[in-house]
Amino acid sequence: GAVVSQHPSRVICKSGTSVKIECRSLDFQATTMFWYRQFPKQSLMLMATSNEGSKATYEQGVEKDKFLINHASLTLSTLTVTSAHPEDSSFYICSAQPPQGTEAFFGQGTRLTVV
Amino acid sequence: AQSVTQPDIHITVSEGASLELRCNYSYGATPYLFWYVQSPGQGLQLLLKYFSGDTLVQGIKGFEAEFKRSQSSFNLRKPSVHWSDAAEYFCAVGPFSGGYNKLIFGAGTRLAVHP
Repeated sequence: GAVVSQHPSRVICKSGTSVKIECRSLDFQATTMFWYRQFPKQSLMLMATSNEGSKATYEQGVEKDKFLINHASLTLSTLTVTSAHPEDSSFYICSAQPPQGTEAFFGQGTRLTVV
Repeated sequence: AQSVTQPDIHITVSEGASLELRCNYSYGATPYLFWYVQSPGQGLQLLLKYFSGDTLVQGIKGFEAEFKRSQSSFNLRKPSVHWSDAAEYFCAVGPFSGGYNKLIFGAGTRLAVHP
């Protein structure tokens, strides 16, 4: 099956700094990628839909200036958590969808801890 | 509104016993339905999916699920559980507006397996 790689798998940062998370589709081109957030022992909540070459579409309640998404190529989307605070600590997971595809493939996730 | 309900937050079974995880959905059209498994600190792995056709779908690791339109259900089953099946299981439904396969996830069911 298709492979989606997410990096880093774990990151610890200081409050007030920014953190960038990368999501790469390794063996297919992804016109669309999705970013999810998962709180401890809870389900995944869709944050935004990342479209190659255009602006991301954010779900209601997600701050677009806080969670910057860039999808500059068909194999890479990045999520930057700006001015991170402890409440941003969470598990972030991306998924990527091949063109004309009906299935999205998930990365292994990034555990962000803000101290 | 579209939603996914997994009524059982936590299930414990003995190794070798049969398993059924429940999933009910609310969706305005013919849904795409998915079951994913997540091991601690890991991303999501697709177990199986239903798009159309035969309502009994076979997946990986010996799992199967049955789509019942009249009951708006897509329950996951396995005839004999192995200790390695202990994980979190998520049911999901899609697609949504824009032709994207973004998903709504249920809250998840945590499966524990006793030896």
